[in-house]
Amino acid sequence: QQNVQQSPESLIVPEGARTSLNCTFSDSASQYFWWYRQHSGKAPKALMSIFSNGEKEEGRFTIHLNKASLHFSLHIRDSQPSDSALYLCAVSAHSNYQLIWGSGTKLIIKP
Amino acid sequence: GGIITQTPKFLIGQEGQKLTLKCQQNFNHDTMYWYRQDSGKGLRLIYYSITENDLQKGDLSEGYDASREKKSSFSLTVTSAQKNEMAVFLCASSPGIQRLFFGHGTKLSVL
Repeated sequence: QQNVQQSPESLIVPEGARTSLNCTFSDSASQYFWWYRQHSGKAPKALMSIFSNGEKEEGRFTIHLNKASLHFSLHIRDSQPSDSALYLCAVSAHSNYQLIWGSGTKLIIKP
Repeated sequence: GGIITQTPKFLIGQEGQKLTLKCQQNFNHDTMYWYRQDSGKGLRLIYYSITENDLQKGDLSEGYDASREKKSSFSLTVTSAQKNEMAVFLCASSPGIQRLFFGHGTKLSVL
């Protein structure tokens, strides 16, 4: 049974700084890796995904995946107050319609 | 673009009551999901459906029933509401083993 863990549970970062969020998983056969963002009282929205080892950048956001270490991460450059939200990581296997979710990191960007 | 509509937005029930939550999507997606989110936490899968009239149990299915009579709609029934239960129920849809699109949720409180 896949186990997905996020760290830290919560994080306060000054505006303009770099934010790093972590996610570990237990099934080395996992194929799809996602980060979702949920602003308070809103629906979760897909932020970024990665399907192979390495790095992917979209604007201020970068996702890293290291399957050998069972670890992927999200980095936010020049963090903004609007980035304050609950960040959820999720992992899926190819043949499975289910995503297994981490418990979330609550991020606060302080102006 | 499409939209996922969940009704009602807020649901207040009595202990032991049977409660039904509804979800409609106009993305024409095959797969639909029901998740439970407890305050500030990650998502736990209750039921999912990969096509009309299909139902698959998630890890949290005990105490819930689901129904997918049309491709566009997926309903969830709490079979016997538990006293002091408070959670947000999120409906999502997906075109396959890909990104999920979420509704804004139904917030349940049980007196």
